[in-house]
Amino acid sequence: DTGVSQDPRHKITKRGQNVTFRCDPISEHNRLYWYRQTLGQGPEFLTYFQNEAQLEKSRLLSDRFSAERPKGSFSTLEIQRTEQGDSAMYLCASSYPTNRDYGYTFGSGTRLTVV
Amino acid sequence: AQSVTQLGSHVSVSEGALVLLRCNYSSSVPPYLFWYVQYPNQGLQLLLKYTSAATLVKGINGFEAEFKKSETSFHLTKPSAHMSDAAEYFCAVSTTGGYNKLIFGAGTRLAVHP
Repeated sequence: DTGVSQDPRHKITKRGQNVTFRCDPISEHNRLYWYRQTLGQGPEFLTYFQNEAQLEKSRLLSDRFSAERPKGSFSTLEIQRTEQGDSAMYLCASSYPTNRDYGYTFGSGTRLTVV
Repeated sequence: AQSVTQLGSHVSVSEGALVLLRCNYSSSVPPYLFWYVQYPNQGLQLLLKYTSAATLVKGINGFEAEFKKSETSFHLTKPSAHMSDAAEYFCAVSTTGGYNKLIFGAGTRLAVHP
């Protein structure tokens, strides 16, 4: 069990460019979540997958954001035409709830800076 | 709708002193509650969770929290602070339903001074 991996750890991009982040969950976890955390705030839910199906998207996830989880394994989060307001830490988490254990495992996050 | 309020965005304690971080929740159904810790430029690490079993929950690193339904609270405590406890702490409530989305509070930054 290597935990939840996120790549890259840091990304600096110019406004208007597209960026893509990757998340590799714990292998046996069927649920995968994306959160966004801005400075001084708690994480905010963006979207959720169960296996390959994207079951919920937050209103925070504008049309410029898209997430995928092909084959129910790793997931990607793409932001098109980045804006300065997209600067944040993007956190991925995974879980496999059994016996009503609702614990998540979070990755270390990808910090995006839009300049 | 569920929500979490963390009272005090910054808490400062002396090394060896009691740590008390406050969390109040709002939920129309029995909640599942969590405390996470975040060190600079890191993800979140689970400290402890309440999932309707014992109301006093013990976690890692000597932390514990007590679920008080009458006060809608889930405060985090540690008897004796260490310098290594300096970090950001987040309380979260899990939504009901099939996928347990977490709703986080704004966080409390704990400073520990010698």
